[in-house]
Amino acid sequence: DIQMTQSPSLLSASVGDRVTLSCKASQSIYNSLTWYQQKLGEAPKLLIYDANSLQTGIPSRFSGSGSGTDYTLTISNLQPEDVATYFCQKYYSGNTFGAGTKLELK
Amino acid sequence: EVQLVESGGGLVQPGRSLKLSCLASGFTFSNYGMNWIRQAPGKGLEWVASISSSSSYIYYADTVKGRFTISRDNAKNTLYLQMTSLRSEDTALYYCARGNHWFAYWGQGTLVTVSS
Repeated sequence: DIQMTQSPSLLSASVGDRVTLSCKASQSIYNSLTWYQQKLGEAPKLLIYDANSLQTGIPSRFSGSGSGTDYTLTISNLQPEDVATYFCQKYYSGNTFGAGTKLELK
Repeated sequence: EVQLVESGGGLVQPGRSLKLSCLASGFTFSNYGMNWIRQAPGKGLEWVASISSSSSYIYYADTVKGRFTISRDNAKNTLYLQMTSLRSEDTALYYCARGNHWFAYWGQGTLVTVSS
């Protein structure tokens, strides 16, 4: 089975910062990766699919990149409303979520 | 507007069964694959099961295979999850979500608590 590892598990940043969240697969997943944002008490929201495609309605400060086994979610100009837990999910060879990165304000 | 509304959760004893439903609206239900995804309290997301638009393809996580059954009724715009032999580790908020690979729409979830 392909394992998904997210890092860091907790990230503290300031408003206006550029933050990067990492998601690593135990073997290549050929860009079959999505990113979700989950705010406290809410259902997850799709941000990025196919590793780098921005979902409709998502602010352009969110971007995805990567290939092979290593993927990154970047939030430029961090806003207070971005405080949330972020999950990656691979859909190559089955669906598996990462454990998440909790993003808080410093 | 796409809406997914889960129901059927509750408190159930270990070893018993429960059936969840997800009523879909705002889109042509029969055109989309559907999924169940769960989240234990304070934990991450775990994909549970998927079903294709015509029920031709069905997949389960190893943790529920042989105990849970996903199904759908396209005439009723409803997705189901029949859960049997429930265990304490099945305690979670169960979401239904639309999509074949990624999940663009989610319901608000229904809570299943397995406890004696």
